[in-house]
Amino acid sequence: AQSVTQLDSHVSVSEGTPVLLRCNYSSSYSPSLFWYVQHPNKGLQLLLKYTSAATLVKGINGFEAEFKKSETSFHLTKPSAHMSDAAEYFCVVSSLQDTGRRALTFGSGTRLQVQP
Amino acid sequence: ETGVTQSPTHLIKTRGQQVTLRCSSQSGHNTVSWYQQALGQGPQFIFQYYREEENGRGNFPPRFSGLQFPNYSSELNVNALELDDSALYLCASSPRTSGGALTDTQYFGPGTRLTVL
Repeated sequence: AQSVTQLDSHVSVSEGTPVLLRCNYSSSYSPSLFWYVQHPNKGLQLLLKYTSAATLVKGINGFEAEFKKSETSFHLTKPSAHMSDAAEYFCVVSSLQDTGRRALTFGSGTRLQVQP
Repeated sequence: ETGVTQSPTHLIKTRGQQVTLRCSSQSGHNTVSWYQQALGQGPQFIFQYYREEENGRGNFPPRFSGLQFPNYSSELNVNALELDDSALYLCASSPRTSGGALTDTQYFGPGTRLTVL
């Protein structure tokens, strides 16, 4: 079984300060991990993806995430928040099921607010 | 390259009715997945289609059904609508590798907002 826990439902930061969105995962198989962003009334946009090539993954718009197997974590960070970063962020785990099918499991989301 | 498109963008139905949502996959992608996102929650996997056959299903009742066409576009059908079916329905497409394995990365459309009154 696989699961994802996003530790904060809401995060508020000031523009120009660092962003940290926390995610812990559980997976029976070697997982692939993703972060997606969803702006209001929009679909999901892929920010970055981890597939075991490197533990530090760089994504779009200055975001990056570090895979820590010992902590089963995949936290998302950005050095300096921008107003346009305000959105809902989802941590996602993908793993191979017994059926041979890959399944995506989404976390419950973290709403990021950026204050001017 | 055209991304994933969905239609309609918004839809209002009444309880007991039936609805069909449509999705065109991204060019070169032959696998389509559907998700339901209730307000304030993360998306929940409904089912996936590959080569016009259902290739996996989440915890949704049989009144949720789908089709995939030879051009890889897809439909989601929901019968006997209930109030709790009100949600954003997301379609995602993904390619298979030359060896046939499904890649992880899924590309999402903008969704269809369904309201059931």
